[in-house]
Amino acid sequence: DVKVTQSSRYLVKRTGEKVFLECVQDMDHENMFWYRQDPGLGLRLIYFSYDVKMKEKGDIPEGYSVSREKKERFSLILESASTNQTSMYLCASSGTGDRGQYFGPGTRLTVT
Amino acid sequence: AQSVTQLDSQVPVFEEAPVELRCNYSSSVSVYLFWYVQYPNQGLQLLLKYLSGSTLVKGINGFEAEFNKSQTSFHLRKPSVHISDTAEYFCAVRRGGIQGAQKLVFGQGTRLTINP
Repeated sequence: DVKVTQSSRYLVKRTGEKVFLECVQDMDHENMFWYRQDPGLGLRLIYFSYDVKMKEKGDIPEGYSVSREKKERFSLILESASTNQTSMYLCASSGTGDRGQYFGPGTRLTVT
Repeated sequence: AQSVTQLDSQVPVFEEAPVELRCNYSSSVSVYLFWYVQYPNQGLQLLLKYLSGSTLVKGINGFEAEFNKSQTSFHLRKPSVHISDTAEYFCAVRRGGIQGAQKLVFGQGTRLTINP
């Protein structure tokens, strides 16, 4: 059974902290994605990676960075967390072809 | 640039009634369309997809969608809903860009609530 896992389901951080969100997939997928989900806005792409060490900015990359040192792992980094980064963060992966993206369960991040 | 509009933010229906969730898209490239479902406190699951071929696409859990190129629509339907169908539904269109990278543009979501 295919699986995308995220390191935490719920996370509470303080303003100014550096935050790491981890995502691991076991499907040997080339592509991995980070989205944030906010009510009424759907999913917005933050960053994606199409290969190890390769990344591309999405629609809302400001305040975020990413790291992909191994094919199965894709990390989202909030360099200095702010309250407007309180959100649900979803990781996804996909292989070649158009079989769709597979999503993790999400991390609900609260920045106080 | 590709975009997706889901015309209803919330749809309440009674159990065993039919439902249609509406999705319109704009795309200047070949169209690949998807519907995803998100149950409470979970990630998204793929319901169905249209890549090519028959315009009527069948998915999991009894859902189907029809691709209409002239109306740029991809509406999701189910003839008889169950309480367990209560969830948020997202329509998505594939963007252009790096081949095979499968970047998607998502709609705003439609919250389907089934009442007994």
